[in-house]
Amino acid sequence: DGGITQSPKYLFRKEGQNVTLSCEQNLNHDAMYWYRQDPGQGLRLIYYSQIVNDFQKGDIAEGYSVSREKKESFPLTVTSAQKNPTAFYLCASSGRETGELFFGEGSRLTVL
Amino acid sequence: GENVEQHPSTLSVQEGDSAVIKCTYSDSASNYFPWYKQELGKRPQLIIDIRSNVGEKKDQRIAVTLNKTAKHFSLHITETQPEDSAVYFCAASRRDTGRRALTFGSGTRLQVQP
Repeated sequence: DGGITQSPKYLFRKEGQNVTLSCEQNLNHDAMYWYRQDPGQGLRLIYYSQIVNDFQKGDIAEGYSVSREKKESFPLTVTSAQKNPTAFYLCASSGRETGELFFGEGSRLTVL
Repeated sequence: GENVEQHPSTLSVQEGDSAVIKCTYSDSASNYFPWYKQELGKRPQLIIDIRSNVGEKKDQRIAVTLNKTAKHFSLHITETQPEDSAVYFCAASRRDTGRRALTFGSGTRLQVQP
């Protein structure tokens, strides 16, 4: 069953703690993305990777970090430097041919 | 970088009426304009897209128009049904060089009243 899997679905953390959100895809897509969704603000790009071992900052990269060591995986770390980390995080991937984004089900992070 | 503005933020129509959502973009190099639908509690899914070499594209009750000169594009839904109720996002990107990641608009919440 092909698709994108994000975990965990819900995550609670205390202020000052780093958290890592997992994103795995078996669609054989080269490109992967992380977006943050807040009410009324749409989807804002955090980081993206067009190929293994390479990634680029998006529009709101401060306080986040990523790695792309494998084609299938693109984990996002929300660091303690992120001032307002409570949000819904969406991972996506796309193939070269169409550019269509396939999204995971999202991870909702709440920082207490 | 690219900036995409979307209007209106909310839209309420009667079942059977048409709905129109409008977006403008800032980067004249953008050449790919998709629309995504996100139902409550679900992930966004592509419903239609258009490339800059085309002015209009239709798929059943959904159509998208693009005006490259004015840098705006619109989503038209005809004969709306309750299952069309969702949040719709427009987006823009380059498909050839440079940053190819989509920049999204802020979303339109469409409510179709039965």
